[in-house]
Amino acid sequence: QQQVKQSPQSLIVQKGGISIINCAYENTAFDYFPWYQQFPGKGPALLIAIRPDVSEKKEGRFTISFNKSAKQFSLHIMDSQPGDSATYFCAASIGGTGRRALTFGSGTRLQVQP
Amino acid sequence: DTGVSQDPRHKITKRGQNVTFRCDPISEHNRLYWYRQTLGQGPEFLTYFQNEAQLEKSRLLSDRFSAERPKGSFSTLEIQRTEQGDSAMYLCASSTTSGRIHNEQFFGPGTRLTVL
Repeated sequence: QQQVKQSPQSLIVQKGGISIINCAYENTAFDYFPWYQQFPGKGPALLIAIRPDVSEKKEGRFTISFNKSAKQFSLHIMDSQPGDSATYFCAASIGGTGRRALTFGSGTRLQVQP
Repeated sequence: DTGVSQDPRHKITKRGQNVTFRCDPISEHNRLYWYRQTLGQGPEFLTYFQNEAQLEKSRLLSDRFSAERPKGSFSTLEIQRTEQGDSAMYLCASSTTSGRIHNEQFFGPGTRLTVL
């Protein structure tokens, strides 16, 4: 049972454009939603995270939008750069922090063309 | 480099053999997690420890899998009687429950297992 569904599977964006990745979750007990970035041969690295008491969180060029009623959240990468080319995973956990087991989406491979 | 380290980075084994992986967490991180990642998928949780206590295990962790963290520092993950379906990247992560950046899971580079 896939508890966190992620789309699209792959994404090609021109340099300077906006990359948007979407996730939907099923378990209403989830209350912590991080996004991870993974480069080939490396482990995932935390990019940004949000709790459901806010609808948006911005850090630099990265923004999470959260819709609790729809059980959806998304990552927006503004002014996308070739260095952003990586695989992005959304995730969710219970307990309000990353302390517990993370349930990951299936990933989005982002390619930013120069 | 003071990040999470894993050894070996690659392991090729024949079906039926036993394999053991090691994870060294970030110094003084009291939580340690194991995940499995297959090609084109997100990591799947296997188990985690707080200090030396194993607090949670996924149903994915069959009886052929065992994990230990004997002194609350490094951890080992052993797979007995490997099967081709065990081929995956095994990721280790660690976190601390104190300090400013608490609860964030820091991942290691993984051990890629290939079962022939």
